[in-house]
Amino acid sequence: GAGVSQSPSNKVTEKGKDVELRCDPISGHTALYWYRQRLGQGLEFLIYFQGNSAPDKSGLPSDRFSAERTGESVSTLTIQRTQQEDSAVYLCASSLEVGVGYEQYFGPGTRLTVT
Amino acid sequence: DQQVKQNSPSLSVQEGRISILNCDYTNSMFDYFLWYKKYPAEGPTFLISISSIKDKNEDGRFTVFLNKSAKHLSLHIVPSQPGDSAVYFCAATEYGNKLVFGAGTILRVKS
Repeated sequence: GAGVSQSPSNKVTEKGKDVELRCDPISGHTALYWYRQRLGQGLEFLIYFQGNSAPDKSGLPSDRFSAERTGESVSTLTIQRTQQEDSAVYLCASSLEVGVGYEQYFGPGTRLTVT
Repeated sequence: DQQVKQNSPSLSVQEGRISILNCDYTNSMFDYFLWYKKYPAEGPTFLISISSIKDKNEDGRFTVFLNKSAKHLSLHIVPSQPGDSAVYFCAATEYGNKLVFGAGTILRVKS
């Protein structure tokens, strides 16, 4: 079956512009996660959605970052007024449920470059 | 403050030999640990996991060992194959929701 897909695969934007990144999770997965990976670092948790519960936004680095998810489908991560330090690979993952033992399946990521 | 650390940025191993990748953590609340493998331009893929109630979990050529008192885990790959060449990430979680990742170790298996 289809895995997690993300678009665009690459995005170059000018400092100060807004960007939207899209994630299509695996069908039937109730949980969706966003992570980012800066150069030479590990993945850093940003936000996750679980069904109709309020999202856990505890990893968002600033109020310029926001994310939405429609039901149990597509999610968009929005970064407003981008800064050079936002340059990273943004990875989306989904899992059947949230909890220990429920594997998170990752998409290929969106490489964001802020010039 | 890095809660999960992989102190070896890279490791080179001869095909057929054992690869040992190490990971240390600081948060004693973590109770589930995972290893992910990542190829260039792809997302990480799950490899193997271990619960804090165990000290070893084995899956084919891959074995993960957990030493809770030392807050240390390791991944053993035996025998190593060229296709194992990738970046390996150690991750930990308390409730299975947010994963905390190490910075990764690049494994190169030479044929």
